[in-house]
Amino acid sequence: DQQVKQNSPSLSVQEGRISILNCDYTNSMFDYFLWYKKYPAEGPTFLISISSIKDKNEDGRFTVFLNKSAKHLSLHIVPSQPGDSAVYFCAAIPFGNEKLTFGTGTRLTIIP
Amino acid sequence: DSGVTQTPKHLITATGQRVTLRCSPRSGDLSVYWYQQSLDQGLQFLIQYYNGEERAKGNILERFSAQQFPDLHSELNLSSLELGDSALYFCASSVRGDTQYFGPGTRLTVL
Repeated sequence: DQQVKQNSPSLSVQEGRISILNCDYTNSMFDYFLWYKKYPAEGPTFLISISSIKDKNEDGRFTVFLNKSAKHLSLHIVPSQPGDSAVYFCAAIPFGNEKLTFGTGTRLTIIP
Repeated sequence: DSGVTQTPKHLITATGQRVTLRCSPRSGDLSVYWYQQSLDQGLQFLIQYYNGEERAKGNILERFSAQQFPDLHSELNLSSLELGDSALYFCASSVRGDTQYFGPGTRLTVL
């Protein structure tokens, strides 16, 4: 039972344009969401997070949007840079728990 | 650099053997988490320790065990290894239980 889903295994975006990565979840108990970036053979690197009491959080080029009614979150990267090419994972933590549940990842390729 | 260290980086062993993976959390972090990433499974939570005590368990096999020591470093012990245990094992740490910071991982290959 995949509680966190990233339906796009891959995404290609031109350098300088906006990258939008999507994530859907099914567990209503999730109340904290995170995005991680991962290069091959390295550990996931934390990018940005959002609590369920917010619908938007920004940090530099990265913005995460949360739509609780749709159980959907997205990560926007503007402008996209070649160094952004990596696998992006969304993850969620349920209320009262600290266990991260990860999505399956989306491989983002930025085309120069 | 997340501040979380893991050793060894690579480990090659044979079926039936036992190995120990080590993790040192970020300075000040009391929680340590272990995750497994195999090719077809994505990142799966195994177990969490908080200040020396087991706090949460995920899909951890009975052949696997972990502990956290008084200096807060943690070890993940994998025994009676099978081919299917070949994977990347990540350790993460956090201070408040929300944002987890990951180490570089240990790649285990079971032959």
